[in-house]
Amino acid sequence: GQQLNQSPQSMFIQEGEDVSMNCTSSSIFNTWLWYKQDPGEGPVLLIALYKAGELTSNGRLTAQFGITRKDSFLNISASIPSDVGIYFCAGQTNNAGNMLTFGGGTRLMVKP
Amino acid sequence: EPEVTQTPSHQVTQMGQEVILRCVPISNHLYFYWYRQILGQKVEFLVSFYNNEISEKSEIFDDQFSVERPDGSNFTLKIRSTKLEDSAMYFCASSVFQGAGYGYTFGSGTRLTVV
Repeated sequence: GQQLNQSPQSMFIQEGEDVSMNCTSSSIFNTWLWYKQDPGEGPVLLIALYKAGELTSNGRLTAQFGITRKDSFLNISASIPSDVGIYFCAGQTNNAGNMLTFGGGTRLMVKP
Repeated sequence: EPEVTQTPSHQVTQMGQEVILRCVPISNHLYFYWYRQILGQKVEFLVSFYNNEISEKSEIFDDQFSVERPDGSNFTLKIRSTKLEDSAMYFCASSVFQGAGYGYTFGSGTRLTVV
């Protein structure tokens, strides 16, 4: 099946620092999504990307859909303590019953 | 804001027992899904459901599993003869469109513990 490789697996940063994480795939996805998961909760959508090369921002978050449709990155600027959580990338192809393929997650820890 | 509601939030069951996990998708959504997340691992797709039938299922979704939309509001996942390795968080999701992105909403999950 399709695999998404997400890195880094974890990050421990100081409040105020910028954060970058990325996902790569050996296959093409038509849609890339970035989710955040808090403990004991379901994934919450942060940003959705629909076009190759698309760069989209949502507040302090910026994500880009790679030109080849095989990669994406998520940047968080000026991190704050509530950014703590697990960030997942997810990809979708149009012919797969709407299923999402998730990356392994990046656990972000922010030191105040 | 509309939510996907899952019950129970935590279920403990004995190995070999059957469990039914319940979900109430967002009311105007047409596509329904179940995902699983084993502790510390990534979220994995189980099944998608549209127009009262399964539209896609993963290798995980074998004969032990079944889904049903028994009425106009509930969407259930039944796991027969549970095994220890079925212990996981089970997430229900729903979407109004066929594409992902906005409108593809996850519930808070049911933590299933098989003992």
